[in-house]
Amino acid sequence: DGGITQSPKYLFRKEGQNVTLSCEQNLNHDAMYWYRQDPGQGLRLIYYSQIVNDFQKGDIAEGYSVSREKKESFPLTVTSAQKNPTAFYLCASMLGGGTEAFFGQGTRLTVV
Amino acid sequence: ILNVEQSPQSLHVQEGDSTNFTCSFPSSNFYALHWYRWETAKSPEALFVMTLNGDEKKKGRISATLNTKEGYSYLYIKGSQPEDSATYLCAFMRGAQKLVFGQGTRLTINP
Repeated sequence: DGGITQSPKYLFRKEGQNVTLSCEQNLNHDAMYWYRQDPGQGLRLIYYSQIVNDFQKGDIAEGYSVSREKKESFPLTVTSAQKNPTAFYLCASMLGGGTEAFFGQGTRLTVV
Repeated sequence: ILNVEQSPQSLHVQEGDSTNFTCSFPSSNFYALHWYRWETAKSPEALFVMTLNGDEKKKGRISATLNTKEGYSYLYIKGSQPEDSATYLCAFMRGAQKLVFGQGTRLTINP
């Protein structure tokens, strides 16, 4: 079945450690996105990518990094520079601008 | 409007009543407007993607309209059912690349 997979579902890390969240899709979509959700808030855009080896900062990119070495994969690294990393992270992919986005199940990151 | 704004933030409706909510977005550099339904413990699922001013889309009891000149979209639910309880998200696509979401409207249907 085609879809978008995020792993792991829950992640715990110690403060000061970098952590990488996985996002893989087999939908042959060009565009991929990372969002963050905090309690009581909507989805805020962290990074997005339209093609391999190219990506753009979203509205809250500070403290995060991404790579897009393969069309199927768009991993997000939460670095120690991110001041409040505990949140729910959602990955999405889209074929093109006028089509719908498909979402992963999300990763809930807790930094202690 | 610089960002995507949705209102109200939450809504309680009696089963069988109809309801509607609003999404406001920047009117410049418009490419598309998306609506999604996000149920608890699930991933958001697309309802509509609208690209043309005046677009009206319908899926069962749910419909949406789009006004790109004034920067707003309405989502309507007719005859609300308990399974309609969810958070409804709208997203503005700026320039065919950047997809920015509003805060969502949390809808609760009271039986």
